[in-house]
Amino acid sequence: DIQMTQSPSTLSASVGDRVTITCRASQSISSWLAWYQQKPGKAPKLLIYKASSLESGVPSRFSGSGSGTEFTLTISSLQPDDFATYYCQQYNSYFLWTFGQGTKVEIK
Amino acid sequence: EVQLVQSGAEVKKPGESLRISCKGSGYSFTSYWISWVRQMPGKGLEWMGRIDPSDSYTNYSPSFQGHVTISADKSISTAYLQWSSLKASDTAMYYCAIGGERCTSCFRYWGQGTLVTVSS
Repeated sequence: DIQMTQSPSTLSASVGDRVTITCRASQSISSWLAWYQQKPGKAPKLLIYKASSLESGVPSRFSGSGSGTEFTLTISSLQPDDFATYYCQQYNSYFLWTFGQGTKVEIK
Repeated sequence: EVQLVQSGAEVKKPGESLRISCKGSGYSFTSYWISWVRQMPGKGLEWMGRIDPSDSYTNYSPSFQGHVTISADKSISTAYLQWSSLKASDTAMYYCAIGGERCTSCFRYWGQGTLVTVSS
């Protein structure tokens, strides 16, 4: 299986901060990576697909980059609504899709 | 509007069987694979497996192969996740999810989740 490792596991930040979350794959996944946001008690929400494609309706302060084994999710200016847990997901393997362990973005 | 509506919360005893459901609407049910995702209390997301509703072909994560069964009935636009003998460790929230245009293997639409509690 392809393992996905996110860092950090927890991030403390303030409103207005630029935030970067990293996701590393145990082998190359080309650009087959998605990012999700999950708030407590809610289903995850797709933010980014194919590493850098912004999902419709998602604010432009969210961006994704990377290819191969290293990827980043950046929030350019953190807003109160952005405090949540973020997950990456690879979908390169033939029906062996995996998520990262998650990064919780907390209020500093 | 695409919607995935899941069945309600369940409380079961170890050893009991269970089937939970996910009904799709607002799209052609056979157009997108349906996946199931587990989230244990306080933990992350785990992809369990998927089904192609057009032919009911399934794939499972090795972690879940043999422990659960995924099925679908396209005549009523519903997918299922089934256990034959529950364990306490099956206590979790379970989500169904589908992709969409340009995102066939990622998850654009999610059900609201079904909480399964297994306790003696």
